[in-house]
Amino acid sequence: AQSVSQHNHHVILSEAASLELGCNYSYGGTVNLFWYVQYPGQHLQLLLKYFSGDPLVKGIKGFEAEFIKSKFSFNLRKPSVQWSDTAEYFCAVNLPSGGGSYIPTFGRGTSLIVHP
Amino acid sequence: DAGVTQSPTHLIKTRGQQVTLRCSPKSGHDTVSWYQQALGQGPQFIFQYYEEEERQRGNFPDRFSGHQFPNYSSELNVNALLLGDSALYLCASSLGVGIRGYEEQYFGPGTRLTVT
Repeated sequence: AQSVSQHNHHVILSEAASLELGCNYSYGGTVNLFWYVQYPGQHLQLLLKYFSGDPLVKGIKGFEAEFIKSKFSFNLRKPSVQWSDTAEYFCAVNLPSGGGSYIPTFGRGTSLIVHP
Repeated sequence: DAGVTQSPTHLIKTRGQQVTLRCSPKSGHDTVSWYQQALGQGPQFIFQYYEEEERQRGNFPDRFSGHQFPNYSSELNVNALLLGDSALYLCASSLGVGIRGYEEQYFGPGTRLTVT
């Protein structure tokens, strides 16, 4: 079955450390890719998205992600994290469900804790 | 600009009962999707409504049904509740249905359903 995998379920970093969260999906065709973030007590909100074009995508708050089609990956990065980046991060991919339709499929999320 | 709103915030029901959750989309949006998020998991797509019709459906039984009204607001109904239906139910809105599925979605705060 087609799926989205986030391999790091819990990540703990100190401020100023670099961050990379992995996301892989299992589908060989064209996809739309997203990273969402949920800060404590807040709604899920979009960090960045990739539909086509430059595979290096820049989002809000200094985050970026790189789409590597050959590796079926869309990893999220930030060069220097801040305490305020403490949140839950979700990768989502629109995967085909048959009949030409696509369904947003989320990974199980990565909990990031940044120590000041 | 009002974002996505959901009601109620919390709900406690007994096994076998029925429940209705409500969602108002972000101003200007015409598409509503519903998700179930179990503890420690990513959101799982239930279905999507556009032009008052169910357009896409995830892997959920017929006990889960919905409706979209002319003002684009939506309801999620769950019949014959099971303990396993306990979860956070998220509503997300977007504008139309783009190529390869959904464009950027805006999420509401969710309704926490507990089934005892």
